[in-house]
Amino acid sequence: EPEVTQTPSHQVTQMGQEVILRCVPISNHLYFYWYRQILGQKVEFLVSFYNNEISEKSEIFDDQFSVERPDGSNFTLKIRSTKLEDSAMYFCASTSGGTSNQPQHFGDGTRLSIL
Amino acid sequence: GNSVTQMEGPVTLSEEAFLTINCTYTATGYPSLFWYVQYPGEGLQLLLKATKADDKGSNKGFEATYRKETTSFHLEKGSVQVSDSAVYFCALSGRNTGGFKTIFGAGTRLFVKA
Repeated sequence: EPEVTQTPSHQVTQMGQEVILRCVPISNHLYFYWYRQILGQKVEFLVSFYNNEISEKSEIFDDQFSVERPDGSNFTLKIRSTKLEDSAMYFCASTSGGTSNQPQHFGDGTRLSIL
Repeated sequence: GNSVTQMEGPVTLSEEAFLTINCTYTATGYPSLFWYVQYPGEGLQLLLKATKADDKGSNKGFEATYRKETTSFHLEKGSVQVSDSAVYFCALSGRNTGGFKTIFGAGTRLFVKA
């Protein structure tokens, strides 16, 4: 079964540095998402992306965050100047359609640790 | 706005016990409802889903029924195994201003003892 893949599985970065998290969604999917899970807390929506533009973003997704689909397969999340509170698991997800009954397929996540 | 509330954990059960994890939701319109499972050190896996009222989702012995009248989607399993130990997230997906996103409950950690 096709799956969403994320790299790296664990990223350690100094505070203030830029970090790019990478995702390869399922190949025929058109809608892409990033979520965040701070340790022990709930999974929170960050951003959704369709047709090469952001379709929705949460209050968490401030100017320090950006997303890009640089080619036909990758979907990246960039944090420009990391803060301690950005430490979390980041999950990428994708769906084939834009309806609510399509479950999102999640990657295994990238654990981001900010020192 | 849309939201999901699920029972706090952890829930600790002995093997072969009956499991219920309660979940209620608030949503405009007609959302789809999901249960996701997160095993230790892993990502989120879809466990089951229901897309309209009275639908029953089922998988791996787990089931949940979409109850519109009580806005609930409780997860049940008749006989849990040690391998079911994980965090379970109730979630909904419905149309928002910019499209669709999944809104998760806080998660319920399940420990199953042999």
